[in-house]
Amino acid sequence: KAGVTQTPRYLIKTRGQQVTLSCSPISGHRSVSWYQQTPGQGLQFLFEYFSETQRNKGNFPGRFSGRQFSNSRSEMNVSTLELGDSALYLCASSLEGQTNYGYTFGSGTRLTVV
Amino acid sequence: AQKITQTQPGMFVQEKEAVTLDCTYDTSDPSYGLFWYKQPSSGEMIFLIYQGSYDQQNATEGRYSLNFQKARKSANLVISASQLGDSAMYFCAMSSKAGGSYIPTFGRGTSLIVHP
Repeated sequence: KAGVTQTPRYLIKTRGQQVTLSCSPISGHRSVSWYQQTPGQGLQFLFEYFSETQRNKGNFPGRFSGRQFSNSRSEMNVSTLELGDSALYLCASSLEGQTNYGYTFGSGTRLTVV
Repeated sequence: AQKITQTQPGMFVQEKEAVTLDCTYDTSDPSYGLFWYKQPSSGEMIFLIYQGSYDQQNATEGRYSLNFQKARKSANLVISASQLGDSAMYFCAMSSKAGGSYIPTFGRGTSLIVHP
């Protein structure tokens, strides 16, 4: 069965631009979470979507937003990019209530802001 | 608030030997889950093993085992018979129910290098 698919794999953007990242969860998974990974801060939780609703949110500025579609696919958007937004953005999906298998992660989108 | 601590930034092990990666956690929630993930240089986080807070026995998955000591709040990962392909970053994570779902909190990770 297909895993979590994130597109694009790599992205280079200029400061001030905006970017949209996409995540397709495993078929049947209704929860999608986003994480930002940087060498300095490690893995930080951005937000979680379930059934098209944002259910949890991490401590990130409003420039970071997301949404989930009826087919569970999710997008995250970062507006007015800053150099510090350069990071690996990981998406993870899970079955509702199925915690013992954790989250299944995608390969990530590596964003570089110049 | 929950917290995960991995005190070993880097570890080295000889191929075919066993290695233990340390993880301690802190939470006030009596119900929680502990996970270990492997992240190779490609970036993908690969789930390795899970331990529930009410599980009586230590979890095992092939060459991976989780040494769960609840009173000490530790959840160390033991990799037996290391292989060159085990070289990667390893992350310990904990989840407890927040806002209706289990959101994992991750440690800072341990870089494991397996020498031939």
